[in-house]
Amino acid sequence: ILNVEQSPQSLHVQEGDSTNFTCSFPSSNFYALHWYRWETAKSPEALFVMTLNGDEKKKGRISATLNTKEGYSYLYIKGSQPEDSATYLCAFPLIQGAQKLVFGQGTRLTINP
Amino acid sequence: AAGVIQSPRHLIKEKRETATLKCYPIPRHDTVYWYQQGPGQDPQFLISFYEKMQSDKGSIPDRFSAQQFSDYHSELNMSSLELGDSALYFCASSTGYNEQFFGPGTRLTVL
Repeated sequence: ILNVEQSPQSLHVQEGDSTNFTCSFPSSNFYALHWYRWETAKSPEALFVMTLNGDEKKKGRISATLNTKEGYSYLYIKGSQPEDSATYLCAFPLIQGAQKLVFGQGTRLTINP
Repeated sequence: AAGVIQSPRHLIKEKRETATLKCYPIPRHDTVYWYQQGPGQDPQFLISFYEKMQSDKGSIPDRFSAQQFSDYHSELNMSSLELGDSALYFCASSTGYNEQFFGPGTRLTVL
């Protein structure tokens, strides 16, 4: 069984601080990695889809890097704001061309004002 | 911008009843996915459709069936409901293998 693991499971950060967390995935047979942001009582929101080793993507204060050889992706948030509080999920397709995503358990980020 | 629409948003059913959940994808999206998220659990992929044909299947019970119609909306039919079917059911849509856009979910409670 191939698993996606995210760490830490939970993170509390002071407003204004920067933070990062990890998504680990099997490095063999890599096809793509998705990052989603999921706020309580809302639906998951796509952040990034990353496909190439060394990819770095940015959206405002959020950025992500990808290392397919060692099987990890980092998500960085610079200057955390209360609205960044959410669960951040990574997911990847198990089989090339497959549409179903295997999700990690997420990192629940809480920004303390 | 138009988003994925799911209906109903909340549904309460008794055990052994039947439920139908509907999903209307973003216009021009050709792929629809269904996910189930139980309390405190990760979203679990159930099934997906591409151009009205089933394209991938996950952990969908035999009691559930789904289809995508000519207008690309999809319905998830759930029969002989069990207590364990109580969950949040998300629908998502995409164009091909691009990022998935999720609907607000339908919260199903089975009593």
